[in-house]
Amino acid sequence: EVQLVQSGAEVKKPGESLKISCKGSGYSFTSYWIGWVRQMPGKGLEWMGIIYPGDSDTRYSPSFQGQVTISADKSISTAYLQWNSLKASDTAMYYCARRPLVGATTGGWFDPWGQGTLVTVSS
Amino acid sequence: DIQMTQSPSSLSASVGDRVTITCRASQSISNYLNWYQQKPGKAPKLLIYAASSLQSGVPSRFSGSGSGTDFTLTISSLQPEDFATYYCQQSYSTPHTFGQGTKLEIK
Repeated sequence: EVQLVQSGAEVKKPGESLKISCKGSGYSFTSYWIGWVRQMPGKGLEWMGIIYPGDSDTRYSPSFQGQVTISADKSISTAYLQWNSLKASDTAMYYCARRPLVGATTGGWFDPWGQGTLVTVSS
Repeated sequence: DIQMTQSPSSLSASVGDRVTITCRASQSISNYLNWYQQKPGKAPKLLIYAASSLQSGVPSRFSGSGSGTDFTLTISSLQPEDFATYYCQQSYSTPHTFGQGTKLEIK
């Protein structure tokens, strides 16, 4: 069974750093992209960026470029989403999802999705 | 960025109804359009990819159509488990933006 399992919920203070994870299983991790999607409380889905674990090719949404870092360790089939200095506005559910191995900028879809990681940033 | 606009934003319907949700892109995206279903407290689930291809395991009452800038998701006969929020997503160019969502509620 193809699965993406994300790390658990986090509660952090403003200014702290954080790295959340997404572990793939049941498929060849380097044969698909991994994407990250933000969902703020009560709001819609926002595409943050994608990474190809095979060579770490990464694309960011301009809205998130410079605000987060997406990385992957193919040796353990795990992708990461990282913040250096959290803000209260980073409070959200974050989902990872698998994307077929198509071109970086065109095509594809997200399936399956991880269960989500809730990040709460509060002083 | 390509803007995706869904209509309506919310919709009340009854079990057995035929329902159509529309998604419009701010520029032509060919058929690079996906549809997702999200239930409260759950991750989104892929329903339709490439505008009209039904994802494996998704009931055949769901269908998608369109090309260019205008797309539709149709549920032919609503079932109780279909009450959820639906999102379209373009994958024509990064960032692969989502629509704002359509919340389908029980009448």
